[in-house]
Amino acid sequence: EAQVTQNPRYLITVTGKKLTVTCSQNMNHEYMSWYRQDPGLGLRQIYYSMNVEVTDKGDVPEGYKVSRKEKRNFPLILESPSPNQTSLYFCASSLDPEITEAFFGQGTRLTVV
Amino acid sequence: AQSVTQLDSQVPVFEEAPVELRCNYSSSVSVYLFWYVQYPNQGLQLLLKYLSGSTLVKGINGFEAEFNKSQTSFHLRKPSVHISDTAEYFCAVSESAGGTSYGKLTFGQGTILTVHP
Repeated sequence: EAQVTQNPRYLITVTGKKLTVTCSQNMNHEYMSWYRQDPGLGLRQIYYSMNVEVTDKGDVPEGYKVSRKEKRNFPLILESPSPNQTSLYFCASSLDPEITEAFFGQGTRLTVV
Repeated sequence: AQSVTQLDSQVPVFEEAPVELRCNYSSSVSVYLFWYVQYPNQGLQLLLKYLSGSTLVKGINGFEAEFNKSQTSFHLRKPSVHISDTAEYFCAVSESAGGTSYGKLTFGQGTILTVHP
C-alpha cells in the first residue's frame, strides 16, 4: 500500500529539548515536503526536498532543519523547540515537482511547553 | 509567487442545503488546483483536482468544483450536504514549470463547514 508514515503521531516536549519527527514514504518519490498547520493560517511549507541531498527552504523554515540522506526518508529536526512551534505537522511526497498528486502522512501533533 | 485566498473562514449550513466554498488564487504561470478535506482529528484527504481539460471537476462525496481562469477562482460546490460533511476544507495550488513557487503546494487558510440538522 502506498503510504507516507510519520512518527510520532503525538509529542509533548519541553522548550529547548531537541527532537526529530520522522517521515518515510514507500513510493520512490523524489519530492518531499514538510508543512505545519495552524488555525486560520492553513498549511505552510517549512522545507522541501527535490532529491537525495537536495533541500530548500519553504515559507517558514526558521527553527527547523531537515536532511535527505535516503530517498525514502525526510526527517524534520527541531534543534531547540520553542512554544511557537506548537503545531500540527504534515509530511508529504509526490512523484513530480508540479505535485499533481501529493500523498500526506497522518500528521504529528507537537506541543512545546 | 502564488497565493490562495479562501473567502470564508466559516460556513454554517443546514442539512440538505446547497453549499459553495470560495477559493481565489494568484499566479504568474499555469496552475494546478486542489481541494482537500480534513475531518476532525484526521489527516488530509484529496477531494478533487484540476490539472487540465474540462473546467468542471467532479470529486468524491458528491463535491464538484469549477476552474475559472478569467476570475482566477476554483469554487467548491455540493448540491445537498450531509451532517457527515462537517469538516475543514482547504484549497491549494501548485505551479507549472517556470513559476517562482515551483515545487510546492500553497494552501488557503481553510474553511470550516458546519452542517446543522
